[in-house]
Amino acid sequence: LAKTTQPISMDSYEGQEVNITCSHNNIATNDYITWYQQFPSQGPRFIIQGYKTKVTNEVASLFIPADRKSSTLSLPRVSLSDTAVYYCLVGDGDAAGNKLTFGGGTRVLVKP
Amino acid sequence: NAGVMQNPRHLVRRRGQEARLRCSPMKGHSHVYWYRQLPEEGLKFMVYLQKENIIDESGMPKERFSAEFPKEGPSILRIQQVVRGDSAAYFCASSYIAGEETQYFGPGTRLLVL
Repeated sequence: LAKTTQPISMDSYEGQEVNITCSHNNIATNDYITWYQQFPSQGPRFIIQGYKTKVTNEVASLFIPADRKSSTLSLPRVSLSDTAVYYCLVGDGDAAGNKLTFGGGTRVLVKP
Repeated sequence: NAGVMQNPRHLVRRRGQEARLRCSPMKGHSHVYWYRQLPEEGLKFMVYLQKENIIDESGMPKERFSAEFPKEGPSILRIQQVVRGDSAAYFCASSYIAGEETQYFGPGTRLLVL
């Protein structure tokens, strides 16, 4: 399983765009990049997943460069409720019983 | 469609007692995963089960811990003779397809061992 490295914490203000970059230098050909969000006292929640280039949904965008050795989660116009821990995960989605490997995550604090 | 359900949400045990954590996967999901999270850390995989089968228990301590997912009823994570180091949040996740990257997590059970 490819190891991921992401910043420990990040502060932002309401209405700003938050970009969290995750490094995964040893990503394998079959690996997907997935981001989860976890609020205090709750289980993680799937945000977005991608393989290459750019993926966008109603919550976030995921930018993946051609070499796929990093990825950037972009949260547009954050609000106070976006304060959470964001985890970057890399793994083979086709692997049977894929066990998710969580790193330390990035603690995002959105200030008023 | 109810999400993943876990109970109890909070559990207090004294050292040496047993803890039983229950997880009901989302409707239609037959793959269940258990994770443990210590304070200020990410989740750590413990065990992966399908109905009546343990598929991967590589992350589960070999002593005192056991898990099951019977044909009927919820999945159960059982911790015997709990110690203070077992205090953590235990999360259950389920998926529809084996290996599906999107796992749906429950709210967790917070175990406190006194």
